[in-house]
Amino acid sequence: DAGVIQSPRHEVTEMGQEVTLRCKLISGHNSLFWYRQTMMRGLELLIYFNNNVPIDDSGMPEDRFSAKMPNASFSTLKIQPSEPRDSAVYFCASSLDFLAGRSYNSPLHFGNGTRLTVT
Amino acid sequence: TQLLEQSPQFLSIQEGENLTVYCNSSSVFSSLQWYRQEPGEGPVLLVTVVTGGEVKKLKRLTFQFGDARKDSSLHITAAQPGDTGLYLCAGDTGTASKLTFGTGTRLQVML
Repeated sequence: DAGVIQSPRHEVTEMGQEVTLRCKLISGHNSLFWYRQTMMRGLELLIYFNNNVPIDDSGMPEDRFSAKMPNASFSTLKIQPSEPRDSAVYFCASSLDFLAGRSYNSPLHFGNGTRLTVT
Repeated sequence: TQLLEQSPQFLSIQEGENLTVYCNSSSVFSSLQWYRQEPGEGPVLLVTVVTGGEVKKLKRLTFQFGDARKDSSLHITAAQPGDTGLYLCAGDTGTASKLTFGTGTRLQVML
């Protein structure tokens, strides 16, 4: 089992540029989460998919952020245009059949994150 | 709004010491998970507690879920340098389609 794979590991870009972060789920998992981690705000949920369908995107900061699941095993998080305040470590995590209230049955498996720096 | 507050935020101790980390909320959780995160990596699940008052042990780590399922604690006995990391609690209220993570406790165990 290769685990959740994220790319790139590091991304440095200038303000205004488009950034695309990628995530490959664990084979067989059907729930996908994008989190953002900063020292100030900790780990924040951005968006959650189940069976390729966005279930909760209330954490997406604004219209500059968008996430997709073009297939069952892959997801992208796009920021366009990027701003310095978007600098953070972005994690994706997958689980099998995550269901609120029964998350004990389906723990999250995190990737190693993408460290984004926007100058 | 941060639903889960962890204390202390930072903890630096010597190898062999005992410590307790707390996770508190005003919300009731249907379950609560503890994760450990090492530098450059994502959080890794340590344990899940479900029943109020439940105690689980993982080697030198003891996890307890409060009777009212609003709080939890993690106790480490005879800490070792390998315990160094960021400890995160995460709660599931059962009504929102997500896990809410705590503010984290950064532990450093020195030789």
